[in-house]
Order: sequence, then structure tokens, then C-alpha cells
Amino acid sequence: GAVVSQHPSWVICKSGTSVKIECRSLDFQATTMFWYRQFPKQSLMLMATSNEGSKATYEQGVEKDKFLINHASLTLSTLTVTSAHPEDSSFYICSATRIDYEQYFGPGTRLTVT
Amino acid sequence: AQSVTQPDIHITVSEGASLELRCNYSYGATPYLFWYVQSPGQGLQLLLKYFSGDTLVQGIKGFEAEFKRSQSSFNLRKPSVHWSDAAEYFCAVGRMDSSYKLIFGSGTRLLVRP
Repeated sequence: GAVVSQHPSWVICKSGTSVKIECRSLDFQATTMFWYRQFPKQSLMLMATSNEGSKATYEQGVEKDKFLINHASLTLSTLTVTSAHPEDSSFYICSATRIDYEQYFGPGTRLTVT
Repeated sequence: AQSVTQPDIHITVSEGASLELRCNYSYGATPYLFWYVQSPGQGLQLLLKYFSGDTLVQGIKGFEAEFKRSQSSFNLRKPSVHWSDAAEYFCAVGRMDSSYKLIFGSGTRLLVRP
């Protein structure tokens, strides 16, 4: 149990366009979902925390207008990268928590902006 | 400020040899501690976690970790490494509040020699 999926697994988009990444908890209801960004050969950087039905909480330095997060239900959160630029190219990972405090991670989405 | 340090960027061991990956944390109280493994193309998988109680924690795949409060350490060990253990390993500390946030170390890449 406790499976988290992400879609798409990879995406290529042109500079200036927007791209949406979905994160779903498949077999449990997630109290909280997180979005991370991982640069090559580096650690995970927390971008934002989202709870169903409320606005996401962004970490310092993360542009909330560029990285729009919507947590529509207890099993779905979306990250939209707006007006993407090549520097937004990265590996985006989501995770979801249950009340047991453990975070369950999705497989990640590789975004390439050309 | 909370932080996690993994001093070894790369570690190479021979198959069958023992392994120890180091992790030191900085936190104001006893934290929640985690070890995750990330294999190429896969999401982060939880190896083990420490919340309280016995300071020697057993995890999956034959891994164990020991919490040493006096040294602010949570080192990961395995008595005999298998080639399939080659991956990136992340230590993380969780905040003991309702935020469920994790702070990750920079990771240690494990290479296994045949």
C-alpha cells in the first residue's frame, strides 16, 4: 500500500509555455502533499507544502506565481510550471503523507524546457 | 537551523563487503530520522526510520541504522552489500511538528564493485 503516482514521467515543452504535473495517492487519502525539486546529482529541495482545500505554503525563494500548486482532493495535487524557461528544467518529485507521518514519494517527473 | 550532513559524496565497496553511510544532523530536539534510497528511474524508497525507542533500527533489504544522540548521528549500515544496492542514499530529518516537513542531506552515491 501507500503508492504515489506522478504524471507525466517526463515532459518536454517550449520556453514560454506552461506544463502541469499531477501527483496522486492511489490507495490512501493524503493529509498533506509536498513538491520537491531535484537538480542532477543533488539533493531534494522542498518547494511547497499543500493541504487539500487550502493554499499551498511555499518555501522561501520559491516563486509562487511560477509554480502554481492546486490540491483539489485528498488524492490529487498538481504543480503547474507557468511560462517555463530552460532554468526550470529539473526533476520534480511529489510526496504524500498519511497520519503516520511517513512520506511516500512518487517516481518523479523530468521536465525539459527547450 | 535544522540541517543534515552526509559527508561522503561517493562510496565504493566490493560486493559482499560491509557498508556504513554517515549522517549527521542538527536539530534542537530529538528529531524524526529517515534513510531513503533512490534508484535510477524510481522514486525514493524508505529504508528505515527512527522516531523513538530502541536506538538501533532495522529496515528493509538488510539495512540498519543507529541513532546516537551524543554524536547527532544516524549512520546506515549493512553487513554485506549486494550489487543491487548501488543507488543514491539520502538521510533526512523530519520536523516534530504538524508540518511533516523533511530536510534532506545531499546524498551519498554507492557504487558496488563486482
